[in-house]
Amino acid sequence: DGGITQSPKYLFRKEGQNVTLSCEQNLNHDAMYWYRQDPGQGLRLIYYSQIVNDFQKGDIAEGYSVSREKKESFPLTVTSAQKNPTAFYLCASSIVRYSNQPQHFGDGTRLSIL
Amino acid sequence: QQQVKQSPQSLIVQKGGISIINCAYENTAFDYFPWYQQFPGKGPALLIAIRPDVSEKKEGRFTISFNKSAKQFSLHIMDSQPGDSATYFCAASPENTDKLIFGTGTRLQVFP
Repeated sequence: DGGITQSPKYLFRKEGQNVTLSCEQNLNHDAMYWYRQDPGQGLRLIYYSQIVNDFQKGDIAEGYSVSREKKESFPLTVTSAQKNPTAFYLCASSIVRYSNQPQHFGDGTRLSIL
Repeated sequence: QQQVKQSPQSLIVQKGGISIINCAYENTAFDYFPWYQQFPGKGPALLIAIRPDVSEKKEGRFTISFNKSAKQFSLHIMDSQPGDSATYFCAASPENTDKLIFGTGTRLQVFP
């Protein structure tokens, strides 16, 4: 089955620690996205990538970093600079840029502070 | 900042009733309006989408109504079922981008 796999499902971060969230897709999609979801605030875009080795900041990129070394993978690192990291993180992908193709989502990673 | 305003925040409907969720936008340069359904602990899934050149789109029990002049669009769920209980998000995509701007979500509860 094609889809987007996010891991782990739950993650705990200690103060001053960087943590990395995994996102893998086997849909052969070009574009990938990371969103943060907080109660009552909808989904906010952190970073997106339209092609391998290229990515762009979204609306709330501070305290996060990404890489896109392979088409299938788009890991997100939550750095110690992100002071309020507790949230539900969603990865998405879509087929082609500028074509209004739907974004397909994984089932998320819930990050909490220890 | 571009915004999409969604209402109501929560909605309670009896089984068999009609659920209506509304969204409004300010930027006229949006060209794609999808609706997503999200169950607890899961990622959002595309439900139905519309482009601004049509005023209505229907798929089964789900209908999007689009009013370009009022910059509003809404989701109607006919014959609402308990299995429809979920959070619904509207979104809008700026022209010539592959980005989505999401509304804040509506939590729908359908009681038998």
